[in-house]
Amino acid sequence: GAVVSQHPSRVICKSGTSVKIECRSLDFQATTMFWYRQFPKKSLMLMATSNEGSKATYEQGVEKDKFLINHASLTLSTLTVTSAHPEDSSFYICSARGKGGEKLFFGSGTQLSVL
Amino acid sequence: GQQLNQSPQSMFIQEGEDVSMNCTSSSIFNTWLWYKQEPGEGPVLLIALYKAGELTSNGRLTAQFGITRKDSFLNISASIPSDVGIYFCAGQGGTSYGKLTFGQGTILTVHP
Repeated sequence: GAVVSQHPSRVICKSGTSVKIECRSLDFQATTMFWYRQFPKKSLMLMATSNEGSKATYEQGVEKDKFLINHASLTLSTLTVTSAHPEDSSFYICSARGKGGEKLFFGSGTQLSVL
Repeated sequence: GQQLNQSPQSMFIQEGEDVSMNCTSSSIFNTWLWYKQEPGEGPVLLIALYKAGELTSNGRLTAQFGITRKDSFLNISASIPSDVGIYFCAGQGGTSYGKLTFGQGTILTVHP
């Protein structure tokens, strides 16, 4: 089946630095990718919807200047957490769907820890 | 916005027992999905439901899309230790395919 690769799986950074997370669709073209945030033992909360070649659509309460999303190609979307702070520490998960496809595939997630 | 209420929040059961969990919504969804998530991993799709009233099985798992389109349940029969994990329901409404609303999750613990 289709695979979505998310990298890195874990990152630890100092407060004030920026962190980039990549989400790649390995065997299909992902016209749309979604970025979620998850706190321990909590639900996934949608942060933004990313369409190839256009600006991302952010959910209410999500700072677009804080969480920069780029979907430059049909196989890659990136989430950059800018000037990270400890409260940004969380599990970030991407998902991707192909054009006309009914199936949605999730990446394996990235655990971000900001010291 | 749309909200999903998933229950129970957690379950502690003995191996071999059956499990049932459900989700209700204040609004209608076009698709209901059930996922399992293990620690440090992304969700893995278990069952997808596309029609009101639909009953679908996947091995020991059975899920139904409620007739009102506002609820769904997931049953696991004859549980085994590897069923341990967090189970999430997710609903998709409108035309934005893939934009999911997740339930709060059910943490399942199975004692051998």
